[in-house]
Amino acid sequence: QKEVEQNSGPLSVPEGAIASLNCTYSDRVSQSFFWYRQYSGKSPELIMSIYSNGDKEDGRFTAQLNKASQYVSLLIRDSQPSDSATYLCAVSGNAGNMLTFGGGTRLMVKP
Amino acid sequence: KAGVTQTPRYLIKTRGQQVTLSCSPISGHRSVSWYQQTPGQGLQFLFEYFSETQRNKGNFPGRFSGRQFSNSRSEMNVSTLELGDSALYLCASSQLPNQETQYFGPGTRLLVL
Repeated sequence: QKEVEQNSGPLSVPEGAIASLNCTYSDRVSQSFFWYRQYSGKSPELIMSIYSNGDKEDGRFTAQLNKASQYVSLLIRDSQPSDSATYLCAVSGNAGNMLTFGGGTRLMVKP
Repeated sequence: KAGVTQTPRYLIKTRGQQVTLSCSPISGHRSVSWYQQTPGQGLQFLFEYFSETQRNKGNFPGRFSGRQFSNSRSEMNVSTLELGDSALYLCASSQLPNQETQYFGPGTRLLVL
């Protein structure tokens, strides 16, 4: 059973729209949550980290965490074609830095 | 500050050979983790080092090993290469060893023929 689940997509949104990316995780002891963006052929690039329940905003990005529902999401406002990439949700437990990744959601922003 | 660097960037090997990959973390970062990324399995954790000690190990065979040096640089080694070892190997560094944000290097793309 995969521990971190994401819809593989592709999620297609028009330019300027809000893109909503979702992730669920199975390990209740998970403490830290991360969103990475990965362009084709490149390495993952950190977008957001979130550690406590609620929302965290950074520019056009908002991460939302609900530990009771074991759910974390990423909203991208005013989506741009340059946001087209695969978005990876990653979860860390309570020991060490080991990250468990979801399979990623491919986002396509159409001009 | 310079980012995580990995060498070599690309590598072609044949089955049965061994390979060593190198990672230099961001200056001041003491924790280094390694991941394997393949189209079929996605990103999977290999191992994590802090202060020259392996703290966690993923579910990979013993052919995969690593080490960390006193300057925090790390190497991973894969012996007796198999075709399925073809992958992007990513190194990530963080300042501290617990639940820290990790920053990824560009990766080493390994092709096993």
